Amino acid sequence: AQSVTQLGSHVSVSEGALVLLRCNYSSSVPPYLFWYVQYPNQGLQLLLKYTTGATLVKGINGFEAEFKKSETSFHLTKPSAHMSDAAEYFCAVSDTGSTLTFGKGTMLLVSP
Amino acid sequence: SQTIHQWPATLVQPVGSPLSLECTVEGTSNPNLYWYRQAAGRGLQLLFYSVGIGQISSEVPQNLSASRPQDRQFILSSKKLLLSDSGFYLCACSPGTGREKLFFGSGTQLSVL
Repeated sequence: AQSVTQLGSHVSVSEGALVLLRCNYSSSVPPYLFWYVQYPNQGLQLLLKYTTGATLVKGINGFEAEFKKSETSFHLTKPSAHMSDAAEYFCAVSDTGSTLTFGKGTMLLVSP
Repeated sequence: SQTIHQWPATLVQPVGSPLSLECTVEGTSNPNLYWYRQAAGRGLQLLFYSVGIGQISSEVPQNLSASRPQDRQFILSSKKLLLSDSGFYLCACSPGTGREKLFFGSGTQLSVL
C-alpha cells in the first residue's frame, strides 16, 4: 500500500526566504510522485511530478523537488518565497494502481 | 487539454436531505474520473473512482454513492445527508491510468446543517 506523510501542517516564511516543504512516502514499487498547489476555494493544480529519470524535477513558479530513494523523500523547495506562493501544498504518490494517495497538506504562509 | 466543470460551487443542505453533485469533462475521451473530499486538516480523501461508464470503485464505505451514466459525466449522490458529509468535494480526471497527473475541478463547498 502507498502512503504519504507531510511534516508540518503549517509552514511560515518571510518573503524572499527559502521555502522547504517536506514529503515522505511509502510505496511497494518505484513510485510516481507529485506536488499540487491549492489556492483558497479552488481545485488543485499540478506543480511538478517525478516519474523516472532525473531525480531533480523543476516545476512551475520556480518550485523544484528532488526524489531521494534512500530517504523515501520528495521535498519541495523554492529559493525565494513570494507573497503569491501562499497556498496549501499537497504531496501525492502513485504506485501501480489507478489512484493517487495524497498527504494531508501543508499550508504555506508568507509574511512581508 | 482537459476542462472539468463542477457545480454548484457552494451548497447548504439540511441533515437528511438528498444530494446530487455533477461533474462533466471536456477535451478527452474515456478518462478515469474521481471524487475526492477535503476536510480541514485531513487532506484529500478518495471517495470513488471510475475507469469507464457504469464502473464505480468505492474507496470509503459511507452513505454516499457515485454514478457514471456517460463517458464524461460523474455524479456524486446521497439519499440522506449527515452532518459529517460537510466538506469540500473535488472532481478530478486523468486521461489514462492514475499514474498520470490529475486535472481537478474547482470544487463544491458543501455545508450540512
